This record gives sequence, C-alpha cells and structure tokens, in this order.
Amino acid sequence: EIVMTQSPATLSVSPGERATLSCRASQSVSINLAWYQQKPGQAPSLLMYDASTRATGVPARFSGSGSGTEFTLTISSLQSEDFAIYYCQQYNDWPPLTFGGGTKVEIK
Amino acid sequence: QLQLQESGPGLVKPSQTLSLTCTVSGDSITNINYYWVWIRQPPGKGPEWIGSMSYTGNTYYNPSLKSRVTTSDDTSKNQFSLRLRSVTAADTAVYYCARQGVTLGTEFFHRWGQGTLVTVSS
Repeated sequence: EIVMTQSPATLSVSPGERATLSCRASQSVSINLAWYQQKPGQAPSLLMYDASTRATGVPARFSGSGSGTEFTLTISSLQSEDFAIYYCQQYNDWPPLTFGGGTKVEIK
Repeated sequence: QLQLQESGPGLVKPSQTLSLTCTVSGDSITNINYYWVWIRQPPGKGPEWIGSMSYTGNTYYNPSLKSRVTTSDDTSKNQFSLRLRSVTAADTAVYYCARQGVTLGTEFFHRWGQGTLVTVSS
C-alpha cells in the first residue's frame, strides 16, 4: 500500500498571502496524484489531477507541481473561500487508492 | 449535470450490516468509462477508499475491508449499493459515493455525493 503523508497538518495564513502545501508518497506515483478541497460540512471536491492539471472551474491561483514522491499545492493569494482542508490522493498503484491525512488552511 | 445522492439508515447497531444506496442522475451507471465508488470519512479524519465497481464487472475493494464489503448495482433504477457486515464503532463515518475514471491515469474521483453520516451505536 502506498502511504501518503501531508505536511503541515495545519497552515495559518493571512488572506492575500501565499500558501504552500506538501504531499509525499512512500513510493513513486509518477504524476498520478490528485488534490481535493473540502469545506466544512461538504464533500471533498476535485481541485487538481495529474499533479498539475486544474479541474474544471478551479481558479488559476491554484497550482500543482511535482512527480515521483514529492508534490506541492500552491495557492498564490489566499481568498476567504480557500480556507479549507486539502487532501492529496494517489491513483498510480491500486488497490488500495490512498489519501493523505490532510492539511487544514486556516486564517491567521 | 452529474449528481450522486447517498441514502440509507443513519444509525446501525454493532455487529449488524450497514446498507447504503447511491442514486445517480446525469449519467448512467452502465457507462463503461467509469467506476462507481464508495468512500468513507470518519469524524475528523481523512477519506478512506472502500471500493470501486464497474458495469463491466470489475470490482476492487480496500484490502482492509474486503472481508466485510459487498457492492452491487440496480441498472433499472440507476443505483449502486454498499453492504458492510459486522460493523463496529470504528465504522462510524460519513459515507460518500463517487465517480472514478477507468482509463489509466484518470482513476481519481471526478464527482462526489454530498455524503451521509452513519453512526454505529447500540
């Protein structure tokens, strides 16, 4: 099973600032990595796939990078609606499909 | 537009069977381009994949749950279902249904239902 590890667990950022979230895989997943955003009381929604491709309707301030075992999600200028929990998920080698533990982006 | 809606009991007693149904609109569960998926999320934790099934008969389960899980579909109602046997308090979670691509490199979760909380308690 591929273990996904996200850091930090919580990120405190001021609106307008940049946020950088990390996701590490226990073995290479190539670029087969997705990011999801989850707001309180809602289901996760697809944000990014193939490590760096934005899902339909996702603003350009979200960008993804990385391959192999190290990935980054960057939010260039945080807006109020971006404060949420972000999860990474690998789909390179399954079953099982596995998620990271999440990074909560909170208002500083 | 694709919509998925989970339904089923919100409370299940320990040792009993959890049964949920996902009703799909905006697509057909006979669409061979997709898996139809169950995911759960315990309170305060990250999501956990339960299993994926396709109309062509390919079914995959999380090894950690495989001995207790069964999925099925009802194409006449455009629904698919989850059964989880011998539940314990550790199975308390929000349960989601979702759609996943079958093509290599598209096996992420394109769309999720809103989720339903299932509590295991006597």
